[in-house]
Amino acid sequence: AQKVTQAQTEISVVEKEDVTLDCVYETRDTTYYLFWYKQPPSGELVFLIRRNSFDEQNEISGRYSWNFQKSTSSFNFTITASQVVDSAVYFCALSEAYYGNNRLAFGKGNQVVVIP
Amino acid sequence: DTAVSQTPKYLVTQMGNDKSIKCEQNLGHDTMYWYKQDSKKFLKIMFSYNNKELIINETVPNRFSPKSPDKAHLNLHINSLELGDSAVYFCASSQDPRVGSQGYEAFFGQGTRLTVV
Repeated sequence: AQKVTQAQTEISVVEKEDVTLDCVYETRDTTYYLFWYKQPPSGELVFLIRRNSFDEQNEISGRYSWNFQKSTSSFNFTITASQVVDSAVYFCALSEAYYGNNRLAFGKGNQVVVIP
Repeated sequence: DTAVSQTPKYLVTQMGNDKSIKCEQNLGHDTMYWYKQDSKKFLKIMFSYNNKELIINETVPNRFSPKSPDKAHLNLHINSLELGDSAVYFCASSQDPRVGSQGYEAFFGQGTRLTVV
C-alpha cells in the first residue's frame, strides 16, 4: 500500500527566509515516482517536479530545490528566499509503476504562509 | 489555452439532486482522472480512464458514474447528492502510464467546488 507522510501541517516564515518541506513515503515497489504539487489560494493544482525512483539526482530550479534520498524514503522540498507568492499548500505524491495506472497517493499537504 | 478545463467551477445544489461535472483536456493525453479533495484538503483518487476504458474505480459509491465519450473528455455524473459529497472535485490527465517507464505527471483542472445543501 502506498503511503505519503507530510508531518508539518502549517509552516510560517518571514519573507526571504528558506523553508523546507519534509515528505516521507512508503512503498513495496522497486520502481515508483514522486511528485510535488502546489495549490495556491486560488485553488488550482500546479505540478512542480517529478522524480523517478531510479534517479536520485537532486535538482535546483530557480528558488526551488529537491532532496531525494531512497535510503531514508524521503523526498524533501526547499524554497529558498521565500516570497509572498509562495504562500500555498504543497503536496507530495507517490505513484507506483506496478499498477501501471499512475494512481497518485497524496500526503496531507503543508500549508506555507510567507509573512511580508 | 487551458490544458484541462472543468465546468462548472462552482456548483451549489440541494440534497437528492443529480448533477454533472464536465472535463476536457487538449493535451492529447490518453489517461484521465477524477480526484476528490475534502474539507481538510486531502486528495484522493476516484476514477481513472485510459482511452475511454475504466482503469481505476476506487471504491466510490455507485451514485458516482464517470463517462468518457472520447479520450479527451471525462465527465462525472452524481446521482442523489448527499451532504457528504460536498468537496472540490479535480479532473486531471496524463500520458499513458503503461507506456514507457518514466512515470508521468498529471495535469489538473481548476477544480469544481460542489456544495450540497
